[in-house]
Amino acid sequence: DSGVTQTPKHLITATGQRVTLRCSPRSGDLSVYWYQQSLDQGLQFLIQYYNGEERAKGNILERFSAQQFPDLHSELNLSSLELGDSALYFCASSGRTSGRYTDTQYFGPGTRLTVL
Amino acid sequence: GENVEQHPSTLSVQEGDSAVIKCTYSDSASNYFPWYKQELGKGPQLIIDIRSNVGEKKDQRIAVTLNKTAKHFSLHITETQPEDSAVYFCAARTSGTSYGKLTFGQGTILTVHP
Repeated sequence: DSGVTQTPKHLITATGQRVTLRCSPRSGDLSVYWYQQSLDQGLQFLIQYYNGEERAKGNILERFSAQQFPDLHSELNLSSLELGDSALYFCASSGRTSGRYTDTQYFGPGTRLTVL
Repeated sequence: GENVEQHPSTLSVQEGDSAVIKCTYSDSASNYFPWYKQELGKGPQLIIDIRSNVGEKKDQRIAVTLNKTAKHFSLHITETQPEDSAVYFCAARTSGTSYGKLTFGQGTILTVHP
């Protein structure tokens, strides 16, 4: 168990809809990262937040957005969903191990999104 | 940006044999190289990592080697066991403005036959 939690585990929705994926980082970690995993694209970095602020952006679509809240949990919002958005979405966190800062990323169990 | 190539895409070995997975990266500024193991239905789990100031790192049956000149790094698993069967991903991170972004290889499906 990495200590990173994600909800929901599975999500089935229709094209055109909007969904929100939630991530709680490991206790004490300030950085949260979102990744998308699909069969054709592999694991792709979407976006990173550090202590509430956007830190880095990858190939994230304009239909997607994210935020990190004061309690450090993060949400990834996906709107105007298309069939091609079906994928596994992972959250990872980094920041501290045994009280010492580390940049090692620990992944959550993921949310499987199916768009019908 | 960074590009990571991983080979082979599938690897089948007998229990007790060694397994080697290789990755090459394109950005010479990359300085951190983790390896993740992903089992079915689970998230990637870090198994070992290496930084650019080190050439080799070992943790029990797992070792990673890094050749900065050739820009490649490899995962070595010795005395493989059936529970080692999983998908393995290498990744690279470039220092500087990309902060914590990891660029992943395409993955290797490792099957260990009893």
